Amino acid sequence: NAGVTQTPKFQVLKTGQSMTLQCAQDMNHEYMSWYRQDPGMGLRLIHYSVGAGITDQGEVPNGYNVSRSTTEDFPLRLLSAAPSQTSVYFCASRPGPGEKLFFGSGTQLSVL
Amino acid sequence: SQQGEEDPQALSIQEGENATMNCSYKTSINNLQWYRQNSGRGLVHLILIRSNEREKHSGRLRVTLDTSKKSSSLLITASRAADTASYFCATNQEAGTALIFGKGTTLSVSS
Repeated sequence: NAGVTQTPKFQVLKTGQSMTLQCAQDMNHEYMSWYRQDPGMGLRLIHYSVGAGITDQGEVPNGYNVSRSTTEDFPLRLLSAAPSQTSVYFCASRPGPGEKLFFGSGTQLSVL
Repeated sequence: SQQGEEDPQALSIQEGENATMNCSYKTSINNLQWYRQNSGRGLVHLILIRSNEREKHSGRLRVTLDTSKKSSSLLITASRAADTASYFCATNQEAGTALIFGKGTTLSVSS
């Protein structure tokens, strides 16, 4: 099993551009989440999903959209990138409520 | 929002010493988890302790949970240089919601 796969690993955007960060898992996990990690801030939850067709907002959802059309995929969309969205983004999944998270290797995003 | 807060923010010790990190949280939880992150990598799960448990062991790791004080501690015994990493606690308020992470403790173990 590949686990949780994130693409791309690195991305540079200009302010106002849009892009989608991809996340896929092959463990048939119901729960998937997106976090951003900034220096001194730890990990902050952006959006999460408890199953296909169900998503909810986390701590810092503004500027990001998500959808969950399949169990495997949970893409994160930036509609109009801003410098404040420069960060490292992690996708994670887990089998069910209260279980441990499995993390992807991260996407380092810079918005100029 | 509910968040675990780790203490200290940074910890430097010598190989062979024990390292203790603490986590405090704000509201009742279903479970509390500890994760490790090596520089530039994703997080890796270390141990999960449920709200009805007081102590749990895994190899050189010992986690305690005091729900009356809303706090947890992670003890790494006989530290090694390879334990150098950031350690995060994460709280699960109730089944079905996502994990909320603290800001982490950066541990440096020198040989």
